[in-house]
Amino acid sequence: DTAVSQTPKYLVTQMGNDKSIKCEQNLGHDTMYWYKQDSKKFLKIMFSYNNKELIINETVPNRFSPKSPDKAHLNLHINSLELGDSAVYFCASSPLDREGEAFFGQGTRLTVV
Amino acid sequence: GENVEQHPSTLSVQEGDSAVIKCTYSDSASNYFPWYKQELGKGPQLIIDIRSNVGEKKDQRIAVTLNKTAKHFSLHITETQPEDSAVYFCSCNSGGSNYKLTFGKGTLLTVNP
Repeated sequence: DTAVSQTPKYLVTQMGNDKSIKCEQNLGHDTMYWYKQDSKKFLKIMFSYNNKELIINETVPNRFSPKSPDKAHLNLHINSLELGDSAVYFCASSPLDREGEAFFGQGTRLTVV
Repeated sequence: GENVEQHPSTLSVQEGDSAVIKCTYSDSASNYFPWYKQELGKGPQLIIDIRSNVGEKKDQRIAVTLNKTAKHFSLHITETQPEDSAVYFCSCNSGGSNYKLTFGKGTLLTVNP
């Protein structure tokens, strides 16, 4: 199926650990994003990548490091996890010249205990 | 930065009634206004969008209106059905950049059979 897929869907980990979330899109899109949705459903952009280059870094702590090995993948690595990092993280992608039309993945629910 | 206000936060209607969700934005450079629907446990899905060169757009039972002067835009759903129940987000591109969408805080719509 054509889609934006992210793994894992659920992630429970202890404070201080390092974890990664993977994202892949097979829609042929040039732009990929990471969004964070908190417990109140507030959706906020973290990063935008266009053709593997960082376009937007929305004052996210340095503990969050996105990596785009190719334009179909955008992974998110988080160091030294904190309780406040608990949220649902969404990967998304959008086509060239229609960057606002984002296709979202199913989300990764991260719980830090 | 861009500020998007969305009202109401919750909306309950009877099946067959209409539902209206309203948003205001602050950045006069914004020129693209997509609406997303998020069902429980899923990622947001683009349902309709409008660009600043038009005042209204309709797609079957849903329509969006835009008043650029007043910086208002609205989503209208007619003949609501139980499957319309979801969280709806308005958004706009910040600073006219499609690489960054700023979202409203969402409206939980419940359609009662």
